[in-house]
Formats: sequence, C-alpha cells, structure tokens
Amino acid sequence: GAGVSQSPRYKVTKRGQDVTLRCDPISSHATLYWYQQALGQGPEFLTYFNYEAQPDKSGLPSDRFSAERPEGSISTLTIQRTEQRDSAMYRCASSLAGSGGTDTQYFGPGTRLTVL
Amino acid sequence: AQSVTQLGSHVSVSEGALVLLRCNYSSSVPPYLFWYVQYPNQGLQLLLKYTTGATLVKGINGFEAEFKKSETSFHLTKPSAHMSDAAEYFCAARGYGQNFVFGPGTRLSVLP
Repeated sequence: GAGVSQSPRYKVTKRGQDVTLRCDPISSHATLYWYQQALGQGPEFLTYFNYEAQPDKSGLPSDRFSAERPEGSISTLTIQRTEQRDSAMYRCASSLAGSGGTDTQYFGPGTRLTVL
Repeated sequence: AQSVTQLGSHVSVSEGALVLLRCNYSSSVPPYLFWYVQYPNQGLQLLLKYTTGATLVKGINGFEAEFKKSETSFHLTKPSAHMSDAAEYFCAARGYGQNFVFGPGTRLSVLP
C-alpha cells in the first residue's frame, strides 16, 4: 500500500477482555515494528519482525502481549486479559530493511486503546 | 542503555522566530539520531537523521540539526517558524543493531 495502515483506529474494551490490533505495512518493507506510546510520552519499543521472523520481543511488557506476522506482511498485536495500564496508543512502523539501524521507519496513524 | 532526553515538554515561539528544540542522548557509543514530527491524528514522520559524516543535517520543511558529540546533543532548529510547524517533535536514538529509543517529545506552539 501507499503507507502504513492500522486498524482499528480506536478500541475501547473492558478489563479482562482480549484485543487484537492490526498493522498493514508498506508492501515492499521487510521490517515491521510495534511501539506503545503512553499519553505524554514517546513511543516505546515492543517488538519487531524481519519478514515473518521475530528476532526481538524484549520490549513486550508481559506474556499477555504477543505479536505475529505469519506471511511476512500484515502483523497483529494481541493483548490478552487487558488491564487498565494497557491503555495507550499502539503504533506500527515499517522500514525497507532493518539491518544497520539507519533505515527510515514509516509510521502508521496508531490505534488508541482504552481499557475501562 | 540508551536514553534520550528532550528539554521542555512545551515550547512556544512567535511566527517568524527561531525554533530550537533540544535533544540529548546518553550512550557510550555515538548512536544514529533522528527527529520525527507528529501532527494531530497522524503517524510520526521523519524530519531528518544523522548516521555518519557531516554533523549538520538538513531535513524537510527547513529544519536542521547538528550532532555534537562533545555535548551528546542533537538539537533541532529552524530559522523562522511557520504556523504549520505547530506539532509534537520526538528525538530518537538507535545504536547499531539496537532498538529505537525515543525521547518524551516536545510540543511546539507557534503564536501569530
């Protein structure tokens, strides 16, 4: 696609429910990142993929968080048994290639998650 | 561990005045450095980045930043602010093979 898209844009859920967020990266991009951004803070790294491989998930805050990218394109981030502290903006970004660290990341508009 | 600080969560300037947004990083190894801008209801957009070579980096929309290793700084400047520059600005750092670390952001307001 022309840019990174995310869905839904807004999600309100009740504590204890599971949610799945979706990211559709730029089609030619090998690398996909997930970030969590609390209000008034910068994005914090959660995990990333090189195609379907997930080399680093060190930023996932707990085992309730998981991410997939089974075919190396679209990715989902799932939060199980949501808690109020999970309320945040979840941002996805993609880049052409992740090696080296200088590739430009292109960000999607984010999904605003509110856990009641 | 890498960390990024941005002095001032909110900066206000008059239209036509100099914009200066401060960023300092903490690392034993000079990292790659980035400035992103976020407009309301949009994703972050890259303004400029420093990787190697020239320490003065020019970006889009008339912004530039200078990497100063001795000061561990990467401040963002623009000679003359425009109303359309009002947004939130994030500084980020990344070591080779490491993850991005973002600063907390600075909201820029431009007064007429």
